[in-house]
Amino acid sequence: LAKTTQPISMDSYEGQEVNITCSHNNIATNDYITWYQQFPSQGPRFIIQGYKTKVTNEVASLFIPADRKSSTLSLPRVSLSDTAVYYCLVGVRSSGTYKYIFGTGTRLKVLA
Amino acid sequence: GAGVSQSPRYKVAKRGQDVALRCDPISGHVSLFWYQQALGQGPEFLTYFQNEAQLDKSGLPSDRFFAERPEGSVSTLKIQRTQQEDSAVYLCASSFRRESTDTQYFGPGTRLTVL
Repeated sequence: LAKTTQPISMDSYEGQEVNITCSHNNIATNDYITWYQQFPSQGPRFIIQGYKTKVTNEVASLFIPADRKSSTLSLPRVSLSDTAVYYCLVGVRSSGTYKYIFGTGTRLKVLA
Repeated sequence: GAGVSQSPRYKVAKRGQDVALRCDPISGHVSLFWYQQALGQGPEFLTYFQNEAQLDKSGLPSDRFFAERPEGSVSTLKIQRTQQEDSAVYLCASSFRRESTDTQYFGPGTRLTVL
């Protein structure tokens, strides 16, 4: 089954832009890529979702190249409260079935 | 309610006990998902329902795990004869439509500790 990988951790300072990349080499043709934020003892919280090219909402942007084998979550100006673990979620077709695969997660630490 | 709710939030079981974890999805959501999240790991897919139909249970780790959604709303994940390796957070998510691409919204999870 395809692996969905992310950098383990990242540090950033307040006010900086942070880019987190997820590699998903076997994403299903028609599936979207979704990013979540997770704080300790909470469930994942939806950030953004996209299919191709670029999507932007009030908190983040999502960049997806044409081959869709990766995606990059961009947080424009991080604050201390953005310290969390970030996951991508993709759908993968394997052996005739459809699987939901979370990335390995990136622990972002924002420093003052 | 406004979001997905799960109960209990915390459960401690002795090895060999049976447990039942409840999920209340967002009202009107067709699809419901269960995930298992081990400490320090990303969530792993367990099973998926569309209304009352369990369409995929390939992620359930053993036949001790059983999930149901009899009326197409509330779901229960049951674990029989719990083992220490079952200790994890169990997350429930729901989505509005049938399409696999629809956004999943997660509950807070149930942390299960098996002693």
